[in-house]
Amino acid sequence: KQEVTQIPAALSVPEGENLVLNCSFTDSAIYNLQWFRQDPGKGLTSLLLIQSSQREQTSGRLNASLDKSSGRSTLYIAASQPGDSATYLCAVGLNDYKLSFGAGTTVTVRA
Amino acid sequence: ETGVTQTPRHLVMGMTNKKSLKCEQHLGHNAMYWYKQSAKKPLELMFVYNFKEQTENNSVPSRFSPECPNSSHLFLHLHTLQPEDSALYLCASSQDRTSGRTQYFGPGTRLLVL
Repeated sequence: KQEVTQIPAALSVPEGENLVLNCSFTDSAIYNLQWFRQDPGKGLTSLLLIQSSQREQTSGRLNASLDKSSGRSTLYIAASQPGDSATYLCAVGLNDYKLSFGAGTTVTVRA
Repeated sequence: ETGVTQTPRHLVMGMTNKKSLKCEQHLGHNAMYWYKQSAKKPLELMFVYNFKEQTENNSVPSRFSPECPNSSHLFLHLHTLQPEDSALYLCASSQDRTSGRTQYFGPGTRLLVL
């Protein structure tokens, strides 16, 4: 069974600092890996999707890396802003539709 | 807005009540999903529908009954729930079940069972 772990559970940084969020998974045979953002009282918004054959994906200030052999993915957010405060969820694709989620990292960016 | 809407946004019900959650997607997708998100726990996949056919039931108790009348609408019928069923119920959709593309999530229904 695929287990997805996100550490730390919560993170607080001053505005402008770079954010590094970690995700680890137990089975390297993954279909893809996605990072989502969840704001309080709202659903999930997809940030980045990395196919199993890829090593990283970038979108604006966001960069996600994938190392299947070590079972790790890292989400980098450059020059954090208060608007980046949210819970970030890592989801490992077990096949073309089934996702296994981590419990998330709640980020607070202090102005 | 992701193009996926859910109603109601909040629901309080007693253990003997019967209620339904509704999800509607305006994205032209063919796959729809129900997830449960309990406090401090990862999202759990409950049901998957692909082209209106249920393709996955992730060992969900029978007090949860899904219905998918067409590719745009998904319901979750609730009856005789337990307090531990209190959670955020999220609906999602994707192009289809085999596309491997991202899922688009609704805002969720916050359910409290008393």
